[in-house]
Amino acid sequence: DQQVKQNSPSLSVQEGRISILNCDYTNSMFDYFLWYKKYPAEGPTFLISISSIKDKNEDGRFTVFLNKSAKHLSLHIVPSQPGDSAVYFCAASARGSGNQFYFGTGTSLTVIP
Amino acid sequence: DAGVIQSPRHEVTEMGQEVTLRCKPISGHNSLFWYRQTMMRGLELLIYFNNNVPIDDSGMPEDRFSAKMPNASFSTLKIQPSEPRDSAVYFCASSSGTGVSPLHFGNGTRLTVT
Repeated sequence: DQQVKQNSPSLSVQEGRISILNCDYTNSMFDYFLWYKKYPAEGPTFLISISSIKDKNEDGRFTVFLNKSAKHLSLHIVPSQPGDSAVYFCAASARGSGNQFYFGTGTSLTVIP
Repeated sequence: DAGVIQSPRHEVTEMGQEVTLRCKPISGHNSLFWYRQTMMRGLELLIYFNNNVPIDDSGMPEDRFSAKMPNASFSTLKIQPSEPRDSAVYFCASSSGTGVSPLHFGNGTRLTVT
């Protein structure tokens, strides 16, 4: 059973607008969350993380929001650029799990110039 | 830093053949992970090692799958015999430290079993 879910397989956004990618999780023990970006024929690359002690983490154009009560996190990209077109995975881990991460199925973002 | 190195990049084999995928983690990283990517399930963790010791192999789908880490700089994932449903992209990742830290992925091996 998927403990991390990304219910939107794809998303299209106009360049310059905001992209919002969503992720839900079921395991209340998860306390560390990451977003990865993946281009075709490459491995996923780390983008941004958030610990459960925070509800927001920002890095340039990328902001991750965490709503623990809803078991929901989101990645905001603003402004979106064509180079942001990729598949985005969210991942979650629980303290004491030995850095074992559970990944969602990914959301394919297309930024239209 | 050369990153995580996987070989081969592509593997095409016939059903029933043995397949061996290889991974060299980032030097100094003490944890190594094998993932499989499929459309239906996304990135699935197959097995992970800490300090060369397998910690959790509950994600390995069947006995046909096995993984080894003979030393800190090399790991293999073997499928014997291979089946068409094993076709997927297999990723190796490594991480450092004793706490939670991001994984660094290789570029993957695309396996096709005909």
